[in-house]
Amino acid sequence: AQKVTQAQTEISVVEKEDVTLDCVYETRDTTYYLFWYKQPPSGELVFLIRRNSFDEQNEISGRYSWNFQKSTSSFNFTITASQVVDSAVYFCALSGNNNDMRFGAGTRLTVKP
Amino acid sequence: ETGVTQTPRHLVMGMTNKKSLKCEQHLGHNAMYWYKQSAKKPLELMFVYNFKEQTENNSVPSRFSPECPNSSHLFLHLHTLQPEDSALYLCASSQDRSNGYTFGSGTRLTVV
Repeated sequence: AQKVTQAQTEISVVEKEDVTLDCVYETRDTTYYLFWYKQPPSGELVFLIRRNSFDEQNEISGRYSWNFQKSTSSFNFTITASQVVDSAVYFCALSGNNNDMRFGAGTRLTVKP
Repeated sequence: ETGVTQTPRHLVMGMTNKKSLKCEQHLGHNAMYWYKQSAKKPLELMFVYNFKEQTENNSVPSRFSPECPNSSHLFLHLHTLQPEDSALYLCASSQDRSNGYTFGSGTRLTVV
């Protein structure tokens, strides 16, 4: 069975602080894909990043960075110098052999000015 | 515009009404999905269609009835819903598992 756990339900930071959103996953598949999505108040889930299970290189995109560690089954997401526009619900997700994506419960990030 | 269009954006319906949610994608994807998002709950996968064939039904009550007439369109027919069915219903499509899903903006449903 596949499972994604986002232990942090809500996080509140002040603008310009760095913040890390945690994601831990479980799967028996040897090949799988991990994702992060952002859900702003408008509702739609916006794709942020995809990682396959064979690529453990960390990635940086502007203020966003991702740390994939297979040894701990974690795929954490860090926002550097957070901004008010980063306020949203962030979902971690896992896609395995059956093509269905399983989502974590989401972390609500509030960035205060 | 994400490539997946859902209508209507908002819907208020009584428990005895019949309504339908519509989802449309022209991304050339082969799979389409319905998800339910309730307040403070994880996204719940409801139905999966691959090449117009339903491949998964996650124990969804029969008052929700999906329809996929072609690989570009997906409907969710609703009848005799309960207030606890009030939620955001999200449609998504994908080409394959490596590319992830493209989501629509959702239909916010309120059952009164």
